[in-house]
Amino acid sequence: AQSVTQPDIHITVSEGASLELRCNYSYGATPYLFWYVQSPGQGLQLLLKYFSGDTLVQGIKGFEAEFKRSQSSFNLRKPSVHWSDAAEYFCAVGLGGGSNYKLTFGKGTLLTVNP
Amino acid sequence: DAMVIQNPRYQVTQFGKPVTLSCSQTLNHNVMYWYQQKSSQAPKLLFHYYDKDFNNEADTPDNFQSRRPNTSFCFLDIRSPGLGDAAMYLCATSQRPGTYEQYFGPGTRLTVT
Repeated sequence: AQSVTQPDIHITVSEGASLELRCNYSYGATPYLFWYVQSPGQGLQLLLKYFSGDTLVQGIKGFEAEFKRSQSSFNLRKPSVHWSDAAEYFCAVGLGGGSNYKLTFGKGTLLTVNP
Repeated sequence: DAMVIQNPRYQVTQFGKPVTLSCSQTLNHNVMYWYQQKSSQAPKLLFHYYDKDFNNEADTPDNFQSRRPNTSFCFLDIRSPGLGDAAMYLCATSQRPGTYEQYFGPGTRLTVT
């Protein structure tokens, strides 16, 4: 079955530490890949996206993600986490064409940042 | 700034009492989406409009309806809210379906008493 998996429900890191959030997908073709962030009580903000080309993509707020076809993964990274990065992070895949296009989200990873 | 606006941000309704949530956008995007997000869960697509064409997800309950009177506005109507419909409702837009990313509003938190 097609799916988006974020294996880590909750991650805690110290401020200044590096961060990697995992995302795996299970689809026949390479989907369009996205990372969104959601602060408490807020909507989702796009961090970055991958459609094709360079497999290392840069996003906003110092985030980057690497697409690895062989591992069906699109992990999000940040070299040094700030307290303001505490939020929930959703990986999403886009599949289908035209009106059948659909964005499917993983269940999210909640990030806690310790001072 | 171009944006997606949702009103109200918080809505309380009674069990079985119809409620309407509103979304407007200044991005002039062709597609508008409604998602339901329950606590600690991923957003789940309910339906979307591509211009005036309505596309319903197969598992969206009939209790949920939508209207798009013009490009800028889209409404979510819940005809008879149940306790299980309490959730955050997110509106999103995109320029076109397909490769284009979606821009989300801040959401409306619906409470059903």
